[in-house]
Formats: sequence, C-alpha cells, structure tokens
Amino acid sequence: DAKTTQPNSMESNEEEPVHLPCNHSTISGTDYIHWYRQLPSQGPEYVIHGLTSNVNNRMASLAIAEDRKSSTLILHRATLRDAAVYYCILRSRRSGGSNYKLTFGKGTLLTVNP
Amino acid sequence: DAGVTQSPTHLIKTRGQQVTLRCSPKSGHDTVSWYQQALGQGPQFIFQYYEEEERQRGNFPDRFSGHQFPNYSSELNVNALLLGDSALYLCASSFIQGKNTGELFFGEGSRLTVL
Repeated sequence: DAKTTQPNSMESNEEEPVHLPCNHSTISGTDYIHWYRQLPSQGPEYVIHGLTSNVNNRMASLAIAEDRKSSTLILHRATLRDAAVYYCILRSRRSGGSNYKLTFGKGTLLTVNP
Repeated sequence: DAGVTQSPTHLIKTRGQQVTLRCSPKSGHDTVSWYQQALGQGPQFIFQYYEEEERQRGNFPDRFSGHQFPNYSSELNVNALLLGDSALYLCASSFIQGKNTGELFFGEGSRLTVL
C-alpha cells in the first residue's frame, strides 16, 4: 500500500482556518485520497475524499496538488470540536472487486486553542 | 437511525483465553470490517465480511477469526489471547456499492485488556 506522511501535531486557534498537509509521493493513478478523523474516545469518522480535483463538503475542503503527490485538508473555521487526530489515507481501487482495507498511519493530532 | 453499535464496550481477559466481540452495522449497510487499534497508533485492518464470507484480510494470524450473520451483524473472535492483543477493536460498516470510495462508518469500539 502506498504510504502517506503527515506532521505529528499541529495547533490552531478557534475560528481560524487550519491547513493539514499530507504527502503521498508514491501514489498511483488508482489511489483515492481519503481523510478520516478520530475524536477522543470515539471511532474514526469520515471527513472527505478525492481523486484528482479539489473537493468541498459541509465539513471541510480537500485541495489536491496537480501531480497528486500531496494534498491538504482545509478546515475553514476551526472549533474546539475539531480537536482530533486526522488521518490521510490512500485507498486503492482493487482490480475486480471492492477494497475496504484502509491503511492508517499515526495521523496529525490537531489541538484547537480557545 | 442507530449507527454502528459494538459490545461489550470494555472487557478484561487473561492470557490464553478466548474472546468474542460483537458488531451491529448501521441500518441498511451490508458490509462489515474490523480494525485493531493499539494505544497511540492508527487502526490496523483485520478483515472484511460481505454476504457472510471473509472477503479481505489484513496481516493478522489465524487466531483472529470472524463471522457475519444473515442480518449483517458480525462477530470477531480471538483465540489464545496474548498480552499484545490488548487494544481497541473497531467495527466499521458500509454499502457494498460503496466499493472503493464509499465512506466507512465506525463504532466506538470494544476496549480489550489482556492480563
């Protein structure tokens, strides 16, 4: 599985934007970029995913570099509830079938200051 | 609409014992995956079930086995427990049509401590 590299931790202030980077230099053409987050004492929660184009949803935006070797998760206005571990994951499309194996790294621990 | 539910939430076992963890998927979901999360680490994929069969498996020994029932619920069984099996065990459900892009919905996990 292609690997991702994320900073161990980041800090932000409440109501400010947060840009969480992820490097995936060995990404292949069939790899989707997924982001999940895990709040304290909870299971991971889906945030967003993309393939080539930038994506927006109610939770966040995903900016994907033109060469797809890196991406950035953008939280437009951080709240205290956004404090969590954020995981950047490459999800490969399996030939002839579905792929439910997500390979998590250690992620980025985001701290939001009031 | 209930999300993914897991039981028990916490349990303690001793080395050599066997444990069974249970998962009910989100309503309408037909696929269940299991993950192991050691303290301070990201979750690691154990296996995935669809139509009552194991479809994908991660790098875990045969001591880890599972089952999916006709109502889509699932069990994870671990035999001959080792101290290193202490972890949070997470269940995730999804639609099979979600294939490679659909989101996975995770439960809050079962915390297993092996003494």
